[in-house]
Formats: sequence, structure tokens, C-alpha cells
Amino acid sequence: EPEVTQTPSHQVTQMGQEVILRCVPISNHLYFYWYRQILGQKVEFLVSFYNNEISEKSEIFDDQFSVERPDGSNFTLKIRSTKLEDSAMYFCASSEREANYGYTFGSGTRLTVV
Amino acid sequence: QKEVEQNSGPLSVPEGAIASLNCTYSDRVSQSFFWYRQYSGKSPELIMSIYSNGDKEDGRFTAQLNKASQYVSLLIRDSQPSDSATYLCAVNIGKAAGNKLTFGGGTRVLVKP
Repeated sequence: EPEVTQTPSHQVTQMGQEVILRCVPISNHLYFYWYRQILGQKVEFLVSFYNNEISEKSEIFDDQFSVERPDGSNFTLKIRSTKLEDSAMYFCASSEREANYGYTFGSGTRLTVV
Repeated sequence: QKEVEQNSGPLSVPEGAIASLNCTYSDRVSQSFFWYRQYSGKSPELIMSIYSNGDKEDGRFTAQLNKASQYVSLLIRDSQPSDSATYLCAVNIGKAAGNKLTFGGGTRVLVKP
């Protein structure tokens, strides 16, 4: 069964450093998303991406965050200057059609900022 | 006002019993509704989707939707210890919400042998 692949599975970084989280969506999917989940809290929307541009972003997705689809397969989330409160599980998701049809999540990257 | 609400649990059910999970949402124009299962430390896994009022069955799972009451539920029949997980309700909240799902906080289910 096709799956969304995320790397790395766990990343530890020092406060103030830049991190790039990588995702390979399912190949025929057109819509891409990043969510995050702080330990013990709900899954929170960060950003959606379609047709090579951001279609929507949350208030969490401030200027320190950016997304990119550098080639035909990868979808990346960059955090420019990490803060302690950025420590969370980051999930990439993709869908063939709009969110009305649900989407498939990757296995996640656990980001720990120290 | 919270957009998608769930009882956090834990909901403890004996093996073989029916687990009943509830979810309410705030936006009347919500169009599509999903239940995801999330094991501890893992990513959410889609188990059910429902779009119109009534019941939808898939194996041991039944989703129920009542748009007038802004309420969606999930029944798990013949609960197994492997069903122990957190169940997340997700809603596409209306056209203004664009192309995203909004998640509830999840209900933790414990199935005891």
C-alpha cells in the first residue's frame, strides 16, 4: 500500500538552529499538509500546499516556518530558528483530492529542541 | 468556542463489548467527517469517513452522523485489546476552512481482556 515517508524519524537540535523536515508524499497525490502534535495535545494544522503554493496556513505558521516542494517528489518544512516550544511530533500528510476525502499521514518526525 | 470537541476519556470497555465514542463540532456547514485511530507515539490512521446523515458500517466500526445536532459518533463492536488507542474525530469545517481538517483532542480507549 502506498505510504507517505518522513525523514528523519527523530531530530534533536539546539535552540536557534535551523531544521528541515522532509516528506515524500504518495506519488499521485496533489495536496500536501503539515501538522504538528505537541506531546499530550491535539493534532494541529500548520499549512496546506497545492499547485506549488501555500493554499492555507494557521496562525502557528509564522515567519520562521516555510515549506517547499524542491522537486517532483519531496515536500519540506523548514523552521528557521527553533524554539523550545517547537518541540513536537511533525506529521506530513497528502491527499489525492481535497480534504473532503481525508488524507494519509506519514509516520512523523519527533523534533526535540534543547 | 472549540471547533471539534471530544471527551478525552479514558473510555474503559471490557473485551467483546461495544465502545461508543462521541464528537461534536461547531460549524453547521461542515461537509465531511472522519475518524482516525492513533496508537501511542504513532501517526493518525484513517479508519472511517462519513458525509451524509445516518449510519455507515465498515467491519466492526460504525460511524453515525447527525448534522442537525452537529454530532458524529463511532461505535466499535466486539472490542479487542488491539483497539486500545486514541480515536480522533476530524472535520472539514465548511468552505471557509479551505482545504484542511480540524481535529478534536481525541478519546483514549482502553479495552481490558
